[in-house]
This record gives sequence, C-alpha cells and structure tokens, in this order.
Amino acid sequence: DTAVSQTPKYLVTQMGNDKSIKCEQNLGHDTMYWYKQDSKKFLKIMFSYNNKELIINETVPNRFSPKSPDKAHLNLHINSLELGDSAVYFCASSPDSYNSPLHFGNGTRLTVT
Amino acid sequence: QQQVKQSPQSLIVQKGGISIINCAYENTAFDYFPWYQQFPGKGPALLIAIRPDVSEKKEGRFTISFNKSAKQFSLHIMDSQPGDSATYFCAASKAGANNLFFGTGTRLTVIP
Repeated sequence: DTAVSQTPKYLVTQMGNDKSIKCEQNLGHDTMYWYKQDSKKFLKIMFSYNNKELIINETVPNRFSPKSPDKAHLNLHINSLELGDSAVYFCASSPDSYNSPLHFGNGTRLTVT
Repeated sequence: QQQVKQSPQSLIVQKGGISIINCAYENTAFDYFPWYQQFPGKGPALLIAIRPDVSEKKEGRFTISFNKSAKQFSLHIMDSQPGDSATYFCAASKAGANNLFFGTGTRLTVIP
C-alpha cells in the first residue's frame, strides 16, 4: 500500500547508456514531480506534471525526458548518461499544484561509472 | 543561486534539549514555508508548514517561528528525542505555486 513507489531502488550503469526510472502514486493526486538530490543532499526540482501536462521544466539537460502516461504515473528517461548524473532521484506527488504537501517516494540511487 | 539559506549544516543535541534550525530567504514573493524531515534511505516527509500571515505555528514538539520583516524562519524541536535524528530541510515557494526551493539541509543528531 505504498503511496508513491518508484523503481528501481538502485541503478548502476555505465556512461553513455540510456536508462529509465518509473514512478507510480496511488493517492489520487493530480500533480507529480521529479526531484534530484545530489551528493551534498541538495534537493532541486526537475519537472512537474499536473494531470499529465508539463507545468514545471527547470533547467535540465534535454537528455532527461519525463513522460506521464496518466496522472498516476510519471517516468523519467535519461539518455547518454554522464558521471555527473549520479544522484538520488525522487518522485513526489501532491493533491494539486498550489502550495500543497509533497509526498515523496523513497528514491532511486543512480550511479554512473 | 541559493534561494533559501539554511544553518547550521549539522547539529548535535542532548536528549531532552531544544534543537533550533534557521533559514533565510530573499524573494518577497515567497508565501509558503514548509519543513521536511528525511531519514536515511527514505524520501523527505512534510513535518510542518507556515504562511507569512502568522508568526508562529506549533504542532506537538515542533514549532515554526516566522519573522516576515527579517525574511527568516526557524524550526524549534522541543524535548528532542533520539528518534528525531534525521536531516531537516526548510523550503519556500511562491503563492499558488508548488515549485519548492529547498535549503541545504541540517543533519540533526540527538544523543541519549
């Protein structure tokens, strides 16, 4: 009965590969997000979708492409992985896109070698 | 540019003591100030939040103090417990938006 679940939990891959991270929420929320937490624990928003529509797209390399097939799912595809992409990626959801509490998943630790 | 500045980076408190974490911001358009708690291996979870129309909000042992003129807000944890040991993040966003700008985090350790 996990509220926001993301897979995989760990991802180890080599430079230049393409990988995807999946996220699903069963809270009935309208808005979903991807956040990146770097090695110093700094959290930064990458993308936000509201009812499958992209509403926030921060300065992120276009190698990162989010996809929302429905409002309960938000996947993140990363092309041509680089060493600097190593981080923990968190999916989150919220009831709406107006100052409402974020519910985070437990993260995907991506290591690029 | 860091939109929300947080201090200290780490904090060690004796059990039963008061933990205080401070944050400051510059953007006067910020209208929502939540605090998130993160345990190792887990995602952040909302602890408590405040809007600038009040100067203080208390939930159990956790209190946010807000100083609008100084553009500062702080989290006070009363009677700190070892189970409170975690990383705490302050954050801010503009009215009607959910683009949260997070502080750099404070690693709190409460020793028995």
